[in-house]
Amino acid sequence: AQTVTQSQPEMSVQEAETVTLSCTYDTSESDYYLFWYKQPPSRQMILVIRQEAYKQQNATENRFSVNFQKAAKSFSLKISDSQLGDAAMYFCAYRQGGSEKLVFGKGMKLTVNP
Amino acid sequence: GAVVSQHPSWVICKSGTSVKIECRSLDFQATTMFWYRQFPKQSLMLMATSNEGSKATYEQGVEKDKFLINHASLTLSTLTVTSAHPEDSSFYICSARVDTDTQYFGPGTRLTVL
Repeated sequence: AQTVTQSQPEMSVQEAETVTLSCTYDTSESDYYLFWYKQPPSRQMILVIRQEAYKQQNATENRFSVNFQKAAKSFSLKISDSQLGDAAMYFCAYRQGGSEKLVFGKGMKLTVNP
Repeated sequence: GAVVSQHPSWVICKSGTSVKIECRSLDFQATTMFWYRQFPKQSLMLMATSNEGSKATYEQGVEKDKFLINHASLTLSTLTVTSAHPEDSSFYICSARVDTDTQYFGPGTRLTVL
């Protein structure tokens, strides 16, 4: 079974600084997708960024970018120019190709200090 | 983006009673919806996949007679927790499938069973 591991339960960053959230996963599949979701205090899950495993280029969405290391099965999220509104729980998730099921990591709480 | 609502947002009930939670896709049709359970400071665990007009598919270990799912229309799925007990207290989140790559999440429902 596929697993997603987020080893850091909490992190903090100063406003305007950069922070990197780590995620590793385990799968024997070659066709899969990786996601980072944000869950703010409102509890609404929001998709931050998505990466297709077959793409070598790292996905980028404005201040959010990933470092996808397929051989190492690592999928980290970098948040640049951190803002107070970035404070939330962040979940790394995996979806096998052909499946609609998401497998989530345990999440990491990010605090942004003013 | 697409909007998914849940109702109620918070419910308190007595042990032994049943509780119904609604998940609606407000501006799109969703043939597939998903129900997750999230314990405090834990990840989201997929409970079941709800398909419009057919029986739900439950994940291993989830009691289908305990958690009744009905997806009677393209915009509404319901989760009924039958004969609720304190251990059923949790945060229940639904998501609606827009396409293979995209799920939009509802804001969640907090269930407290006394």
